[in-house]
Amino acid sequence: GAGVSQTPSNKVTEKGKYVELRCDPISGHTALYWYRQSLGQGPEFLIYFQGTGAADDSGLPNDRFFAVRPEGSVSTLKIQRTERGDSAVYLCASSPREGVTDTQYFGPGTRLTVL
Amino acid sequence: GNSVTQMEGPVTLSEEAFLTINCTYTATGYPSLFWYVQYPGEGLQLLLKATKADDKGSNKGFEATYRKETTSFHLEKGSVQVSDSAVYFCALRKPNQGGKLIFGQGTELSVKP
Repeated sequence: GAGVSQTPSNKVTEKGKYVELRCDPISGHTALYWYRQSLGQGPEFLIYFQGTGAADDSGLPNDRFFAVRPEGSVSTLKIQRTERGDSAVYLCASSPREGVTDTQYFGPGTRLTVL
Repeated sequence: GNSVTQMEGPVTLSEEAFLTINCTYTATGYPSLFWYVQYPGEGLQLLLKATKADDKGSNKGFEATYRKETTSFHLEKGSVQVSDSAVYFCALRKPNQGGKLIFGQGTELSVKP
């Protein structure tokens, strides 16, 4: 079946611009996660949704970052006034529930480059 | 706070060599532990997991045992193949904190024929 998909696969923008990154989870998965992976580092948690609500947004670095999941399926990560330090691969993952034993399935990521 | 530390890479081995990638963690309580793998050009995928102390996770010839006394979850394989070349990430997840994963920095493995 279809896995987690993310669009665009690559995004190049200029400092100060606004960007949106999209994640389509596996159908029926209620939990959705966003992570950020900088070069040579492991993924770093940003936010996760259970259904439509953000259950934990403690990883968002500042108020320039915001994410939504209005219908409990597709999610959009929004970054305002981008900075060069935002350059990274943004990963999305989904799981059937948020339970401890549930596997997270990762998408291929969106590579964001801020010039 | 909660954290995961992995041995630094890159690790270069010859085919059929024995592999160990060390992973230690810092966390209160009883986290679940995971190894994820990222093959070149592909997304992260779960390799194996263990949810309680002394559990052994295994998959594709890889094994890791949850050692609470040493707070470790070292990844091992008896005989690596060229196709095992990838970046390996150790991660933990605490109960009652949703599914949030905390990753180590990754260890790149290169297996030569």
